[in-house]
Amino acid sequence: QVQLQESGPGLVKPSETLSLTCTVSNGSISSYYWSWIRQPPGKGLEWIGYIYYSGSTNYNPSLKSRVSISVDMSKNQFSLKVSSVTAADTAVYYCARGQRTFDYWGQGTLVTVSS
Amino acid sequence: DIQMTQSPSSLSASVGDRVTITCRASQSISSYLNWYQQKPGRAPKLLIYGASSLQRGVPSRFSGSGSGTDFTLTISSLQPEDFATYYCQQSYSTPRTFGGGTKVEI
Repeated sequence: QVQLQESGPGLVKPSETLSLTCTVSNGSISSYYWSWIRQPPGKGLEWIGYIYYSGSTNYNPSLKSRVSISVDMSKNQFSLKVSSVTAADTAVYYCARGQRTFDYWGQGTLVTVSS
Repeated sequence: DIQMTQSPSSLSASVGDRVTITCRASQSISSYLNWYQQKPGRAPKLLIYGASSLQRGVPSRFSGSGSGTDFTLTISSLQPEDFATYYCQQSYSTPRTFGGGTKVEI
């Protein structure tokens, strides 16, 4: 079955850019939507945005000015960038398949924003 | 944004109990409602989509109902592996939003 795996730095300094990649295996990134969702420690889930394999995107307005999602079909990967991070961006970041319903998820990666 | 409100925020139950969790949307979302189960340190797992459709591989003791603004997730006979936090999520419009979660404890 489809597997997703997040990768990227676990520690980012305030005001810098958080960058994560999600690698999709046992399935093609084509013909699907792909999302990023985050969860601050001990808190609930927040949808960040999604991308279609063709490159069209939709972002949460609460983050839109700082977020960018891109796709690399040649590597079967999609990526997330969040700029100008603060401590409030500390969270477990999940990648998932889908844009209405999230049926496959990565295991999640904790990103801590701290100097 | 559509606000999703779950109740209760936590509950205590025993193995074999029937458990019901409710989710209310701040406006009508038709049947665009999903339920997820999350265990500590794990990613959420899709249980129910479209308010009442069981995701493949999910035990039949889980069921969902509702439409419009009011929805329920029912576990007909609680099993030890069902102790977890449950989230509802609306897929009617963007931004997609989740409820605050319901923690099911012993």
